[in-house]
Order: sequence, then structure tokens, then C-alpha cells
Amino acid sequence: KQEVTQIPAALSVPEGENLVLNCSFTDSAIYNLQWFRQDPGKGLTSLLLIQSSQREQTSGRLNASLDKSSGRSTLYIAASQPGDSATYLCAGTSGTYKYIFGTGTRLKVLA
Amino acid sequence: DGGITQSPKYLFRKEGQNVTLSCEQNLNHDAMYWYRQDPGQGLRLIYYSQIVNDFQKGDIAEGYSVSREKKESFPLTVTSAQKNPTAFYLCASSITTGGYGGNQPQHFGDGTRLSIL
Repeated sequence: KQEVTQIPAALSVPEGENLVLNCSFTDSAIYNLQWFRQDPGKGLTSLLLIQSSQREQTSGRLNASLDKSSGRSTLYIAASQPGDSATYLCAGTSGTYKYIFGTGTRLKVLA
Repeated sequence: DGGITQSPKYLFRKEGQNVTLSCEQNLNHDAMYWYRQDPGQGLRLIYYSQIVNDFQKGDIAEGYSVSREKKESFPLTVTSAQKNPTAFYLCASSITTGGYGGNQPQHFGDGTRLSIL
């Protein structure tokens, strides 16, 4: 059964730091991977989608990569800001429409 | 603006009562999904639908039912058979491409929080 681990579970950093969030799958056969942001009491906002033919995606200060040989993904946030404070979730699919979600990393960026 | 609308934002259920959560999208997406989110756990798939008049069970479908009579609507009913319904429910949609699934981003609504009276 596919399971997803996100490390760390929580992170508190001063403003301006670069940081890395990690996501790993027990089964490395990941076809597509999506990173989301969730603010308290809200739904999920899609940040980046790495499709089957890709290894990396970038949007502004965010960069996500996927190592398909190990089933690991990282989300890199450059020059963090207080507005980045949220929970970040990764989710992967093995080629079906069914995504498996991690439990998230709660990020707090201190001003 | 295109998006997904979930209603109500908060819902309370009495013992033995069925309640229905609404999910409407104007993104012209074929696929729609219902997830349940509990504290400290990842999202778990309840049901999903790739096309009108068709839907499949997810990992935790027991105690829930859905319908997909219109492309833009995918209501979820939490029945009295669901003994632990207190959770945050999220609806999502995506474009389907006819081939492998999941290669288009999922878009989410703002959720419905269901509690027991």
C-alpha cells in the first residue's frame, strides 16, 4: 500500500531563509506529483505539478523536483516570507486518477 | 471567475440523520473528487467521478453516497451509516485527458466542516 511521509512535520524559520520540504513515497512508482498549500480552515491551492515526463517544475520562488528512482520529492522555497506560512502537502499518483496525500509540513515564517 | 464552490461552510448532523454537501464547479472539468481530512492525517479519497453518470468508490466510501447527474455538480451525502462523520470535507476537480489520470492539476473548493450535534 502506497504511503507518503513528509518531513519535517513542522518548521519555523526567520524571514528570508531558503528552505526545503521533503516528501517520500513507499512505492517509488510515482507517475505525477503535485504540491499544494493549505491555509487554516481552507481548501488546497495547487502550487506545482510534475507530470510523468518531467523531473522538475518552477514557479516564482518555488521549485519542486521528483526523483523517480527513489520516490522522493523536494519543494524548495527561496527567500521565505511571512505570507508563506501555511501547511504544504504533497500528493502523488501512480497513473490513475487517485492521488495519495502526505500529512503535510506546517511552515511558520517569522517576521 | 472559474472555481469550485462548496456549501455550506459549516454543517451539523444529528444522530440518524443524512446530510448532503454541495459541490459545484464552473471550470468545465470532467473529473470530480471528494476527500475527507482529519487532524494529523492526509486527505483520504471517498469517491471520484471521471464523467457524468459514472463514479467510483475511493478508499473510505462506506457510509457515503454520491451522484453525478450534471457535469458541474457532484453532491456528497453522509448517511447515518457513517458513524464518525466529524471531519473537514474537500471537493476537487480536474481535466481528464483520456489517458493516464492525474496528469492535470487538481483544483479544490474551500471545504465543508461537518460536526455532530
